[in-house]
Amino acid sequence: QLQLQESGPRLVKPLETLSLTCNVSGGSISNNNYYWGWIRQPPGKGLEWIASIYYSGSTYYNPSLKSRVTISVDTSKNHFSLKLSSVTAADTAVYFCTRHFPPKYGSGIAYFDYWGQGTLVTVSS
Amino acid sequence: QSVLTQPPSASGTPGQRVTISCSGSSSNIGSNYVYWYQHLPGTAPKLLIYSNLQRPSGVPDRFSGSKSGSSASLAISGLRSEDEADYYCATWDDSLRGWVFGGGTKLTVL
Repeated sequence: QLQLQESGPRLVKPLETLSLTCNVSGGSISNNNYYWGWIRQPPGKGLEWIASIYYSGSTYYNPSLKSRVTISVDTSKNHFSLKLSSVTAADTAVYFCTRHFPPKYGSGIAYFDYWGQGTLVTVSS
Repeated sequence: QSVLTQPPSASGTPGQRVTISCSGSSSNIGSNYVYWYQHLPGTAPKLLIYSNLQRPSGVPDRFSGSKSGSSASLAISGLRSEDEADYYCATWDDSLRGWVFGGGTKLTVL
């Protein structure tokens, strides 16, 4: 059974860089069918997709966050990572890592199928 | 401001049928498949509907999806207390080249 687990600091100071890693177990991140992504949910707000990456390094970014976001993958460690720079209180959120097929793959099967449990990251001094 | 527009709240009594709408544009819903997720606090979102109207195995047939033009809907019939959750529509946006979500609809079972 595939499992995803987020890890990283739960408290980040304003203007610093938020760094999270998603460890994938029960399957290979190099599976050439899937993208690996990050989604967040600020307190009291809705879901927001942040970025996705293919094992080969191909990426998609949310245009509204692109200037501050870097997503990367390490196939040797079977994990992928998120870095969000110059954070503010607005970046306080539960961050989920997830998996999906390529956006235009198949007949509507490019859904987020596996998710991590989510980790709350608070931006505060 | 979400790219996809959902009503912030919906409600119904047990046994009733409730519909949640999701409005988008030609670059997202109008040209891509719609997905619906159910989200309970403290848990990961769960896929309810894919490919506009298909249900994954294990999702009751009380849940149904539809799409017309640049809008989509999720219908829940035979409402049950355990259906109380937040519901999100999602799709790919060709112009933004990214995934977009609705703002979410909080369903209350009265």
